[in-house]
Amino acid sequence: NAGVTQTPKFQVLKTGQSMTLQCAQDMNHNSMYWYRQDPGMGLRLIYYSASEGTTDKGEVPNGYNVSRLNKREFSLRLESAAPSQTSVYFCASSEGTSGPSTDTQYFGPGTRLTVL
Amino acid sequence: AQSVTQLGSHVSVSEGALVLLRCNYSSSVPPYLFWYVQYPNQGLQLLLKYTTGATLVKGINGFEAEFKKSETSFHLTKPSAHMSDAAEYFCAVSQTNFGNEKLTFGTGTRLTIIP
Repeated sequence: NAGVTQTPKFQVLKTGQSMTLQCAQDMNHNSMYWYRQDPGMGLRLIYYSASEGTTDKGEVPNGYNVSRLNKREFSLRLESAAPSQTSVYFCASSEGTSGPSTDTQYFGPGTRLTVL
Repeated sequence: AQSVTQLGSHVSVSEGALVLLRCNYSSSVPPYLFWYVQYPNQGLQLLLKYTTGATLVKGINGFEAEFKKSETSFHLTKPSAHMSDAAEYFCAVSQTNFGNEKLTFGTGTRLTIIP
């Protein structure tokens, strides 16, 4: 089991460029999440998907879009990158269908994104 | 709304000393509480969680935490620090309402172990 995998590990973009961060899990989990981690701010939820075919906004969704391609994959797209989106992005998954609840979330290794 | 406050963004302890990382929460309904650990350049992994029942929860690597409702706290402890405990620790809360449940993280505490 690879758990949660993310690609790429590192990325540098120029302002206005677009890119998609990929996430996949092999644990047959129903829920998947995208977080960003900034110094002194902990993790903030960008979007989540409680089941295949559904997505919902989290705390900081502006400037991002997501796609739950199938049960395994959940991608995060930046249509027009801005320096404020420089961050470390984590994908996570959990077993349940109603969100985190008591579920343990399993995290990927992260993508370090720099927007110049 | 739910929130988490972690007191102390940096904590340093000597190897073999007690580790105490503080977490206070705010929740309008009975909470579920979690501690996650993040080692350098890695994702987060679960240390322990409180859902219901026994208020003293034991986790991996010798860590434990006690849910104190009267103090709205969920402090993390370990009797004897090891060099391998150096990491960042996040407290998190999830509410028990059904639907649209989210996990709210604290801002983290970086633990340094002094040889």
